[in-house]
Amino acid sequence: KQEVTQIPAALSVPEGENLVLNCSFTDSAIYNLQWFRQDPGKGLTSLLLIQSSQREQTSGRLNASLDKSSGRSTLYIAASQPGDSATYLCAVEGDTGKLIFGQGTTLQVKP
Amino acid sequence: DAGVIQSPRHEVTEMGQEVTLRCKPISGHNSLFWYRQTMMRGLELLIYFNNNVPIDDSGMPEDRFSAKMPNASFSTLKIQPSEPRDSAVYFCASSLWGVNTEAFFGQGTRLTVV
Repeated sequence: KQEVTQIPAALSVPEGENLVLNCSFTDSAIYNLQWFRQDPGKGLTSLLLIQSSQREQTSGRLNASLDKSSGRSTLYIAASQPGDSATYLCAVEGDTGKLIFGQGTTLQVKP
Repeated sequence: DAGVIQSPRHEVTEMGQEVTLRCKPISGHNSLFWYRQTMMRGLELLIYFNNNVPIDDSGMPEDRFSAKMPNASFSTLKIQPSEPRDSAVYFCASSLWGVNTEAFFGQGTRLTVV
């Protein structure tokens, strides 16, 4: 059974810092890994998708890496801003399309 | 496309009543997911469909929960009878299975059972 874990559960940093969020999964037979953002009271917004054959994806200040063999992914946020404050979730998709989520990391960026 | 559309956005109902949540996936998507989110348990996958067929309903908590997808553009999640512990935010998501594209989520239905 696939299990996804995110560390830390919460993170508070001053504005301008670079930071790393971690995601690990137990079954390396994944189709892809996705990072989502969720603002309070809102739905989830997809940030990045990394296919199983890829090592990383970049979008603006965000960079996600994937090491499938070790079951790990990281989301790197450069030069953090207060607007980055949200909960970040990672999810892995198996070959049947099943999408399993971690518990999320709640990020607060202080001005 | 307007994205994944869920209705209602908020539902307050009394214990024992039937509740029906609705979802319209993005046109052309062939996978649909129902999730439940609570503070204690996070996002739990309840059931998902590929090409309108239920593939895995192992996350459905009890027989009180049922889901249908009569066609590619509509799905329902029904709770009958509802209980206070069913209170949560229910999300619907859709994706294009097999094409390695992102899943898109609706805004959710916040259910409160009193």
